[in-house]
Amino acid sequence: IAGITQAPTSQILAAGRRMTLRCTQDMRHNAMYWYRQDLGLGLRLIHYSNTAGTTGKGEVPDGYSVSRANTDDFPLTLASAVPSQTSVYFCAKGLAGVGGQETQYFGPGTRLLVL
Amino acid sequence: AQSVTQLGSHVSVSEGALVLLRCNYSSSVPPYLFWYVQYPNQGLQLLLKYTSAATLVKGINGFEAEFKKSETSFHLTKPSAHMSDAAEYFCAVTSDTGRRALTFGSGTRLQVQP
Repeated sequence: IAGITQAPTSQILAAGRRMTLRCTQDMRHNAMYWYRQDLGLGLRLIHYSNTAGTTGKGEVPDGYSVSRANTDDFPLTLASAVPSQTSVYFCAKGLAGVGGQETQYFGPGTRLLVL
Repeated sequence: AQSVTQLGSHVSVSEGALVLLRCNYSSSVPPYLFWYVQYPNQGLQLLLKYTSAATLVKGINGFEAEFKKSETSFHLTKPSAHMSDAAEYFCAVTSDTGRRALTFGSGTRLQVQP
C-alpha cells in the first residue's frame, strides 16, 4: 500500500552544500510529511503539507524547506547542509480512513551523511 | 500537546516467549495510537492502529495491543516470539484535530534469542 518513493537512497554531502531529497507518491493522497530519525530520539517531524499548495512547520524545521507544487511530489531542501543534519529522512503520506482518522505510510528513507 | 513514552529501549526475549513492549501516551484530546515496526535498513511498516472502534486491536504477524484509557497505555504484545520479530518498534500518537502529524516514542529494540 506504501506507493511512496524516495531518492536518493543515500548520500554523502559536504557541509555548506545544497541538497534536495525527493519524495513522490502515486495515489494522490493529500497529506504528506517529512520526518528525521535519530538514534534514541525516534522520528521527529520536520515539515508537513495537508494539500497541494500548502505547507507547515513541524517540530524541527530549522535549516529545511519544502514545497508542494502538486499532489504527488514533496521535496525537502537543505539550503546549506551542516553536520547536525546527518540523519535518516523519511517521507510519509497520510491515508484518510473511516471518520477522518488518518494512517501514515512511510517511504524507504534517505540516509544522509554531512561531513 | 501529545507525547509518547516507550519504557525500555532494549527488550530481549527467548524464542517462543511472550513479547511485551510498553507504550504510555499523553494527549489532551482523544488519541489515535499506532505501532510501527522497522527492520534493519528499512522504512517503517504499520503493525496496528487504535482508532476508537475497539480497545483490543489485532495487527499483522500475530501482534496485538490493548488501549487502556485509565492507564493511558497502549502496550504491544505477542504470545510467542519468533526470530523474525527482531526489529525496532515505535509507538506513535496523533489526533483528529489540528495538525495530524504523528508524535513518536523513542523506540524499543526487540532481540529474540534462540
